[in-house]
Amino acid sequence: RKEVEQDPGPFNVPEGATVAFNCTYSNSASQSFFWYRQDCRKEPKLLMSVYSSGNEDGRFTAQLNRASQYISLLIRDSKLSDSATYLCVVNLLNQAGTALIFGKGTTLSVSS
Amino acid sequence: GAVVSQHPSRVICKSGTSVKIECRSLDFQATTMFWYRQFPKQSLMLMATSNEGSKATYEQGVEKDKFLINHASLTLSTLTVTSAHPEDSSFYICSARDLNTEAFFGQGTRLTVV
Repeated sequence: RKEVEQDPGPFNVPEGATVAFNCTYSNSASQSFFWYRQDCRKEPKLLMSVYSSGNEDGRFTAQLNRASQYISLLIRDSKLSDSATYLCVVNLLNQAGTALIFGKGTTLSVSS
Repeated sequence: GAVVSQHPSRVICKSGTSVKIECRSLDFQATTMFWYRQFPKQSLMLMATSNEGSKATYEQGVEKDKFLINHASLTLSTLTVTSAHPEDSSFYICSARDLNTEAFFGQGTRLTVV
């Protein structure tokens, strides 16, 4: 079983739509969680951290369920500029300390 | 925000030669640096984790003698792909962070081995 699993999509939605991405992780010792965004042929950039209490940043809401080992990202009122690949990222312990492990990513395409 | 500079952004090399990729943290001390590889339409795959002043820890399946990592200072890590072959062609990205703060990524290096 992969350490971090995501539905690869693609999700094709019209502008203004609400879209939700899901992610599961296998290592219960995972320490912290993030959503990153990656545009085509560019490096990933942090979108937001994910907390058990849930957190919101404008149109973006992230949720973490440690019991179910499940992470979600909700995007409301989608914009054309939201088109990208969204990466679920887990920080877990490895031999060297900690490491960021990436899911395969979920591709979102927002159209007008 | 913090900046991580990765160089070169693109490199084309002949099969059998070695290529060195540099990763520098410009305005913070990177106690830990990560090297990832990304093939087309695939996820970022962690290759190795390096802490300043110590040997890198490689993920399973990554040949440490082929992918040499040096993290000699708190601001510089290098990845050398030795005796490169066409199957090594990929997008290599470094990431750096200080202790458990947010990780920042370099711009990536697109390696093509011909």
